[in-house]
Amino acid sequence: AQSVTQPDIHITVSEGASLELRCNYSYGATPYLFWYVQSPGQGLQLLLKYFSGDTLVQGIKGFEAEFKRSQSSFNLRKPSVHWSDAAEYFCAVSTGNQFYFGTGTSLTVIP
Amino acid sequence: DTGVSQDPRHKITKRGQNVTFRCDPISEHNRLYWYRQTLGQGPEFLTYFQNEAQLEKSRLLSDRFSAERPKGSFSTLEIQRTEQGDSAMYLCASSKTGDNSPLHFGNGTRLTVT
Repeated sequence: AQSVTQPDIHITVSEGASLELRCNYSYGATPYLFWYVQSPGQGLQLLLKYFSGDTLVQGIKGFEAEFKRSQSSFNLRKPSVHWSDAAEYFCAVSTGNQFYFGTGTSLTVIP
Repeated sequence: DTGVSQDPRHKITKRGQNVTFRCDPISEHNRLYWYRQTLGQGPEFLTYFQNEAQLEKSRLLSDRFSAERPKGSFSTLEIQRTEQGDSAMYLCASSKTGDNSPLHFGNGTRLTVT
């Protein structure tokens, strides 16, 4: 069965520090992978997506993610975090018709 | 691209009442999804449409929930005889047909059942 695991429920980083949010997926075929961000009381906004090709994908707001098939991972990274990045982050895998989301990682940014 | 629109943003209702939510997808998107999200959780799939056809419905969805997309454009989600456990954020998303098409989400409807 398809599933997504985000091992870190909550992460706190200092502004300007680097960030890595972990995501592991379970899917038998080539996955379509996504990262979304959600601010309080809002819907989810797409940060980036991976379908095939280059395993390092760039997204909006300076985020990037790396697909590692051997580890079934799709970790999200940002070199320097801004206070406005504080939000909930969701990893998702798509089977084509259906999307499966992780439980999310809440990011706090301290000055 | 005017985005996915949901109405209302907030709904407070008493237990046992019926509620209906509306979603207007991005106009050229023929797929429309409904998700439910509770605090500290990711979106949980409820149902999805391709054009006007409801293609899949979560087995977790009770008979009190029904969704329609009569002309393949906007959709409604109705919850009958609401229960306190129905309190959640209800998210609508749309996408184009295609395996690599991402979901575009609305801002959701926050339901509180008292």
